[in-house]
Amino acid sequence: EAGVTQSPTHLIKTRGQQATLRCSPISGHTSVYWYQQALGLGLQFLLWYDEGEERNRGNFPPRFSGRQFPNYSSELNVNALELEDSALYLCASSLAVSFRELFFGEGSRLTVL
Amino acid sequence: DQQVKQNSPSLSVQEGRISILNCDYTNSMFDYFLWYKKYPAEGPTFLISISSIKDKNEDGRFTVFLNKSAKHLSLHIVPSQPGDSAVYFCAASRAGSYQLTFGKGTKLSVIP
Repeated sequence: EAGVTQSPTHLIKTRGQQATLRCSPISGHTSVYWYQQALGLGLQFLLWYDEGEERNRGNFPPRFSGRQFPNYSSELNVNALELEDSALYLCASSLAVSFRELFFGEGSRLTVL
Repeated sequence: DQQVKQNSPSLSVQEGRISILNCDYTNSMFDYFLWYKKYPAEGPTFLISISSIKDKNEDGRFTVFLNKSAKHLSLHIVPSQPGDSAVYFCAASRAGSYQLTFGKGTKLSVIP
């Protein structure tokens, strides 16, 4: 069974640009979560999608947005990139009935120059 | 306001000895706790969890202890193996919430 897959693995952008990160959950998982891991920090919750709807978002500005598609894959968009957006972005998925155990992808490393 | 704290950024242990990783939390609404392990260039992988109705959960070499009155949990690995060298994240969630709150992680190095 394929795990959570994320693309791209690495992405380099300049300040002010937009970045789009993609995530495919484990087959059968309907919930997708996005986390940011900046240098020296733990995993900071960004967004939670379930059944195509945004269910909750963390303490991040509106420049961070996303969506979930009918096939449960998800996209994270970061607009007007700032240097401090440089981080590892991790996507995780879970079954709705066992939401407390998240299964993570390997992450997308975003570097903003 | 950091609700889940791992105060030791790093820990070194000899192979075969016990590794004890600690985690403190401040939110009394948390009722489920998890440990994740993360190798470099990989995503975190679920290791073990414990519900607040228990004070201990064991899975092979890994045991998690929960002290609700102290708002403290610990992960014991015995015996420690070089392959256990990784960053360990403590996470917590509360009933009705669909997100995990993570600590900053503790880097465990098991020395052969």
